[in-house]
Amino acid sequence: LAKTTQPISMDSYEGQEVNITCSHNNIATNDYITWYQQFPSQGPRFIIQGYKTKVTNEVASLFIPADRKSSTLSLPRVSLSDTAVYYCLVLVSGSARQLTFGSGTQLTVLP
Amino acid sequence: GAVVSQHPSRVICKSGTSVKIECRSLDFQATTMFWYRQFPKQSLMLMATSNEGSKATYEQGVEKDKFLINHASLTLSTLTVTSAHPEDSSFYICSARALGNSNTEAFFGQGTRLTVV
Repeated sequence: LAKTTQPISMDSYEGQEVNITCSHNNIATNDYITWYQQFPSQGPRFIIQGYKTKVTNEVASLFIPADRKSSTLSLPRVSLSDTAVYYCLVLVSGSARQLTFGSGTQLTVLP
Repeated sequence: GAVVSQHPSRVICKSGTSVKIECRSLDFQATTMFWYRQFPKQSLMLMATSNEGSKATYEQGVEKDKFLINHASLTLSTLTVTSAHPEDSSFYICSARALGNSNTEAFFGQGTRLTVV
C-alpha cells in the first residue's frame, strides 16, 4: 500500500485559500488519490478523488502533477467550519482493499 | 451519495460486559466492510476486514476472540466487543465500498463512541 506523508497541522484565516500537499512517492499505476475530511467524533467524509492533472468539485480542487508522486488539495475561501483533519489516501480503483490512513493534517481556520 | 449507518452512536458499558455495534449500508450492497478504531488525537487504525459470508480478516495485534465480527448480509456487519475493559474505550468506525463499481470512494459510518467504566 502506498504510504502518504502530509503536514501534521496548518493554520489559516477565514476567507483564505488553503493548500494541503501530500506526498505518495510509491504510488502505483492503478492507484487513485482520495481526500477525506473528519470532524471530531464523526466518521471521515469523502471530499474529492483524482487520478491525474486536476479535478474540481463544489467544495475543493485536487491538483496532481504528471509524476503523481504528490497531490495538493485546495480549499477555496475557507470558513471556520472547515476546521477539521484532512486525510490523503491512495487506493486501487475497483478494489475492496481497505483504506490505510496516515496521520492526516489538522487544519485550523482562525477568525 | 451512499450512506453507511452505525448504531449506536454512543454507548457506555460496565467493565466485563459485551457491546455490539452495527454497521449498515443503506442504499448499496457491500461485500466487504472495514472496522477501524480511533483513539483521541490519533488517526484511524484498521482493525479488521469483514467479508460477507466468511470469516473476518484481522490486523496484526487485534484479538479476534475479543472483537467478534459478523457479516451476515450484504448490508450489515456487526462488531461485538466482548468482556470490555476501560482500555477498549475508543471511537469505532466502519466503512464500506459499493459492489462492482470500478472507481468509488469508501463511505464511512458516523462512528460509535464506546466508554467502558
